Amino acid sequence: GDSVTQMEGPVTLSEEAFLTINCTYTATGYPSLFWYVQYPGEGLQLLLKATKADDKGSNKGFEATYRKETTSFHLEKGSVQVSDSAVYFCALHDSGSARQLTFGSGTQLTVLP
Amino acid sequence: DTAVSQTPKYLVTQMGNDKSIKCEQNLGHDTMYWYKQDSKKFLKIMFSYNNKELIINETVPNRFSPKSPDKAHLNLHINSLELGDSAVYFCASSQGERTGAYEQYFGPGTRLTVT
Repeated sequence: GDSVTQMEGPVTLSEEAFLTINCTYTATGYPSLFWYVQYPGEGLQLLLKATKADDKGSNKGFEATYRKETTSFHLEKGSVQVSDSAVYFCALHDSGSARQLTFGSGTQLTVLP
Repeated sequence: DTAVSQTPKYLVTQMGNDKSIKCEQNLGHDTMYWYKQDSKKFLKIMFSYNNKELIINETVPNRFSPKSPDKAHLNLHINSLELGDSAVYFCASSQGERTGAYEQYFGPGTRLTVT
C-alpha cells in the first residue's frame, strides 16, 4: 500500500536558519505529491505540490522537488522566520489507488527569534 | 468568503451524549471528507463522499454516522460519546477525478472535548 514517511520532530531552529524536512514515499502508481502546513489552532493549508517527476513546487519561500529515483519530496526553505512555526505534513495521491490522500505523521517546526 | 467552514469550532460535552458537527464548502467540489486528528497531530481519514455517495468508510465505530444532504454539505453525527472521541475533527473537500486535481482544502476544525 501507499505510505509517507517524514522526519520525526520536533525541529527547532533559529530565525534565518536553513530548513530541510525530509519526506519519502512508497506508492503503487504514479503519485502527485503535496506539502501542507498547519498553523496553531487552524486547519491544514496546501503549501505546494508537484505532479510529475522533477517538478519543483514552490510557495512563500518554500520549495520541494519531486525525485522519482529516490522517491522523495523534501521540503526546504533558505531562511526561516518565527511565523513559519507550524506543523508540516507531506502527502501523496496515488493514481492507482482510492480517492484519498495519504499523509505523513507531521513534523513540528519551532523557529526561535 | 470561507471556502470550507465547520460549526461549531469548539464542542465540550459529557460522555454518553449525542452531538453533530456541520461542514459546508462553497468551492463547487464533488468530494468531501472527514478526518480525525489526535493529540500527536496524526491525521486519520474517517469518511469520504463523492456527489452525496459514500466512497470511503474507514474502520470507524458505527457510533459515527456521516450524512450528506447535498454535495456542498457533509455532517458528522456522533452517538454515545466516549472519552476517546476527544480530538480535532476536520472537514475537507477536493475536485477529485473530474478535473484531476486531488489536493484537498480543509476547514478550520472542530475541537471536541468529552468529559
